Amino acid sequence: AQSVTQPDIHITVSEGASLELRCNYSYGATPYLFWYVQSPGQGLQLLLKYFSGDTLVQGIKGFEAEFKRSQSSFNLRKPSVHWSDAAEYFCAVGSGNTPLVFGKGTRLSVIA
Amino acid sequence: DAGVIQSPRHEVTEMGQEVTLRCKPISGHNSLFWYRQTMMRGLELLIYFNNNVPIDDSGMPEDRFSAKMPNASFSTLKIQPSEPRDSAVYFCASSRTGGRNQPQHFGDGTRLSIL
Repeated sequence: AQSVTQPDIHITVSEGASLELRCNYSYGATPYLFWYVQSPGQGLQLLLKYFSGDTLVQGIKGFEAEFKRSQSSFNLRKPSVHWSDAAEYFCAVGSGNTPLVFGKGTRLSVIA
Repeated sequence: DAGVIQSPRHEVTEMGQEVTLRCKPISGHNSLFWYRQTMMRGLELLIYFNNNVPIDDSGMPEDRFSAKMPNASFSTLKIQPSEPRDSAVYFCASSRTGGRNQPQHFGDGTRLSIL
């Protein structure tokens, strides 16, 4: 069965600094991978998705993620974090005809 | 385009009462998902429907929980009787199909407090 691991429960970065959120997945075939963001009091919003092709995918709000098959990773990055990026971030993997499997999330705090 | 619409946004009720949460998926989406989110357990899939048919309800915690989808544009999640441990944020999501390549679109959730 597929699974997703987000090793970092909470990360704090300074505004303007770069960001990388880690995601590792377990799945036998080529996975479909997603990153979602959840702002306080809101539902999850899709940031980006990887299906195939170019392993570096661009998303909304200046985020990007890179699929690395050899490392079973799909890390999310942003070159310069804004205070409004403070939120919870979820990685998810899709396989077969079953619903997406979500990681437990990483909470991002941004300090001045 | 209207997103997934959930109602109510907040619900506070006493234990033992019946609670009904409602969801209107995005038009044209064939799959609907109910999730529960708590600090302790994170995001849990409770049940999902394809074409209004329940496919997997193994995540429903107890018989007190039930979900229905009478048509393509409406679903309910009911808890009867409610208990304090049911307090959580409940999300509804929809996608074009239930397959692995389809992103899910989430509503803003119902924050449920059982006193």
